[in-house]
Amino acid sequence: EAGVVQSPRYKIIEKKQPVAFWCNPISGHNTLYWYRQNLGQGPELLIRYENEEAVDDSQLPKDRFSAERLKGVDSTLKIQPAELGDSAVYLCASSLGQGAGGANVLTFGAGSRLTVL
Amino acid sequence: AQSVTQLGSHVSVSEGALVLLRCNYSSSVPPYLFWYVQYPNQGLQLLLKYTSAATLVKGINGFEAEFKKSETSFHLTKPSAHMSDAAEYFCAVTGYAGNMLTFGGGTRLMVKP
Repeated sequence: EAGVVQSPRYKIIEKKQPVAFWCNPISGHNTLYWYRQNLGQGPELLIRYENEEAVDDSQLPKDRFSAERLKGVDSTLKIQPAELGDSAVYLCASSLGQGAGGANVLTFGAGSRLTVL
Repeated sequence: AQSVTQLGSHVSVSEGALVLLRCNYSSSVPPYLFWYVQYPNQGLQLLLKYTSAATLVKGINGFEAEFKKSETSFHLTKPSAHMSDAAEYFCAVTGYAGNMLTFGGGTRLMVKP
């Protein structure tokens, strides 16, 4: 079984440029998450999808960040324009979802490392 | 709301020595607790999880953790460290619904030969 696939793995851009990250979750996983991991810190949730619906985006900086999950499968996270402080690893994860209760284990992708110059 | 605190951002042990990584949690509901490991330039991999069954949980690679409600702790241990255990370890907590996973700040484990 393929895991969670993310691309690109690495991206270097100048500030004020746009950037997009793509995630393909595990087949059958209804819930998809985007986390941001700053250097030396734990991941922090940006947005959570249940199928195609964003059910928790309270931590997503909506002035510059946007996300979509068309057809409830793949997802894209976009930053426009990027700022220096956006340099981080963006992790995508997927899980079976709320019905699994405490057994709802998240499976993470390898992450997309963004460097903003 | 749930939160976790990992004591010690860096832990260094000698190969063959006991590994002890500390995690304390705060939760307004009965928690589910997890330990994830992250190797350099990789995503997070589940080591083990506690979901209200046995309080002593065994995971992969010889790791185990014990849930102690009275101490609100879920410390990770391994009897004998191996060089390949060098990585970043994250403790995480969620409530029953299991869909709001909150991570601690992580502990970097270094293993000396």
